[in-house]
Amino acid sequence: QSALTQPASVSGSPGQSITISCTGTSSDVGSYNLVSWYQQHPGKAPKLMIYEVSKRPSGVSNRFSGSKSGNTASLTISGLQAEDEADYYCCSYAGSSTPPWVFGGGTKLTVL
Amino acid sequence: QVQLVQSGAEVKKPGASVKVSCKASGYTFTSYGISWVRQAPGQGLEWMGWISAYNGNTNYAQKLQGRVTMTTDTSTSTAYMELRSLRSDDTAVYYCARELDVWGKGTTVTVSS
Repeated sequence: QSALTQPASVSGSPGQSITISCTGTSSDVGSYNLVSWYQQHPGKAPKLMIYEVSKRPSGVSNRFSGSKSGNTASLTISGLQAEDEADYYCCSYAGSSTPPWVFGGGTKLTVL
Repeated sequence: QVQLVQSGAEVKKPGASVKVSCKASGYTFTSYGISWVRQAPGQGLEWMGWISAYNGNTNYAQKLQGRVTMTTDTSTSTAYMELRSLRSDDTAVYYCARELDVWGKGTTVTVSS
């Protein structure tokens, strides 16, 4: 059982927007603005898409955005494209908890 | 560009040990820590631990305490993760990552008799 809760799957049509939620607790997501999101294509390593809740690394499309409210973080992908189909994982710092970094169980995004 | 190159796939018997390497390039190695994350087949990501490349301080996941050791060699900008007393449920892809931003391609470790 993962520390952060994500929906197992979401889907959308090309051009649409989707949002993936990531629910934690007041000890992790709710306490720190250190939530990140990763995209993982089959057989590939995770790729950082969002860090510190809403910041995008250089080279990541501005179609990807992040936000947080209370104990829940969200990743929104606008203008869905076929290449966005992948697994997405959230990750949060949890301070002095063990482990200090916790992941969500992952969400499979299907582009219809 | 920042790159982490990991060692090749390993097949081990239960009870054995494995040591995975992760060679960094494109940045000042001692300015960042290295995290290790594993992914069992068809499963999610699991944080295993972190090592400071600056001073060697470590922080391990409680469930792996006593079985895992993370080290670095600053002369070669390489991080290592050793896992001992391997079990079948240690079968996974093991990733190193620079502070969880840049990731290596992963090393598959299979534990089977």
